[in-house]
Amino acid sequence: QQQVKQSPQSLIVQKGGISIINCAYENTAFDYFPWYQQFPGKGPALLIAIRPDVSEKKEGRFTISFNKSAKQFSLHIMDSQPGDSATYFCAATSRGSGYSTLTFGKGTMLLVSP
Amino acid sequence: DVKVTQSSRYLVKRTGEKVFLECVQDMDHENMFWYRQDPGLGLRLIYFSYDVKMKEKGDIPEGYSVSREKKERFSLILESASTNQTSMYLCASSLQGNTEAFFGQGTRLTVV
Repeated sequence: QQQVKQSPQSLIVQKGGISIINCAYENTAFDYFPWYQQFPGKGPALLIAIRPDVSEKKEGRFTISFNKSAKQFSLHIMDSQPGDSATYFCAATSRGSGYSTLTFGKGTMLLVSP
Repeated sequence: DVKVTQSSRYLVKRTGEKVFLECVQDMDHENMFWYRQDPGLGLRLIYFSYDVKMKEKGDIPEGYSVSREKKERFSLILESASTNQTSMYLCASSLQGNTEAFFGQGTRLTVV
């Protein structure tokens, strides 16, 4: 059972354009939604994260939009650059216990063309 | 700078071999995780540990076991490697109560 659905699987955007990646979750106990960025040959690294008490979080060119009622969240990359070309994973977790495990989406391979 | 180190970047093993993947973190994190990454399937949790000598099954534990004898070290063991275990294996760690996971660079395992 896939608890976090991510789309699209791959995305090509021109330099300067907006990249949009969408995720949907099923488990209403999830209360923390991070995005991870992975470059080839590297492990994923935390990019930006949001909690469900806000509808949007912005860090530089990266913005998360969150819709609690629809159980959806998305990553927007403004003014996309070739250096943003990477695989992006959305994730979700519940912070209730002393340890929490991340449930990941299947990933989106983003290519920003020069 | 935080660091999660996996002992090998690339490994080639034969079917039936017992395989050990080692992971060390230098951040004094309580939680450690093993994921496998496959194209189109994302990251899937194999096992995790929230304390020394403690382990919990993740989503796909079959064919794997783990060992955590020291806080900083978490080992993934393939008891009898099979070709369907050819994959990228990623180790991660996090502080107790903190959701940010720090990942190693991964071990690409090929079973022939």
